[in-house]
Amino acid sequence: DAGVIQSPRHEVTEMGQEVTLRCKLISGHNSLFWYRQTMMRGLELLIYFNNNVPIDDSGMPEDRFSAKMPNASFSTLKIQPSEPRDSAVYFCASSLSAGARPGELFFGEGSRLTVL
Amino acid sequence: QKEVEQNSGPLSVPEGAIASLNCTYSDRVSQSFFWYRQYSGKSPELIMSIYSNGDKEDGRFTAQLNKASQYVSLLIRDSQPSDSATYLCAVSRYGNNRLAFGKGNQVVVIP
Repeated sequence: DAGVIQSPRHEVTEMGQEVTLRCKLISGHNSLFWYRQTMMRGLELLIYFNNNVPIDDSGMPEDRFSAKMPNASFSTLKIQPSEPRDSAVYFCASSLSAGARPGELFFGEGSRLTVL
Repeated sequence: QKEVEQNSGPLSVPEGAIASLNCTYSDRVSQSFFWYRQYSGKSPELIMSIYSNGDKEDGRFTAQLNKASQYVSLLIRDSQPSDSATYLCAVSRYGNNRLAFGKGNQVVVIP
């Protein structure tokens, strides 16, 4: 089975531009998580969906960030306008909400974003 | 206070020795505890989970939980160079898959 697929793997953009990150969940998984990882702050949860419904978006930094889940297998994270402090690795992870191994998140390879 | 704290700096251990990692959490109602391993440039992967006080062993890994003191630890016995990675402690408050992660501890195993 294919794992969680993220695109793009690397993105370099200029301040003020719109950035869209994409994620395809593992087939059959019903929970979706967007995390951001930096050296300073570690791995931070941005937003969490269960069955396509946003459950907890308290980690979304501000209105410049938005996330959608238009169907059960796909999600986007959009930053508009982007700022240099948004530079980070963005991970998408999926899981079964009631799986055999609670707490097991399957992470994609990440999207490394650099905002100049 | 951060939800999950891992304060130790990089840990260097000789091959074959025991590596010991610690983690504390702030919320007493936390129910589930996990250790993830992340190789440089890669994504995190789950290696251990623990839900009740005491020790849980899986191969060369042992997780220890003390809810009264709000800490979780990970022991890696007979450390191998392939264990060189960053180890992330994660906690779930509600027993679901919403995890809060610590910043991680880097382990370097010296051959």
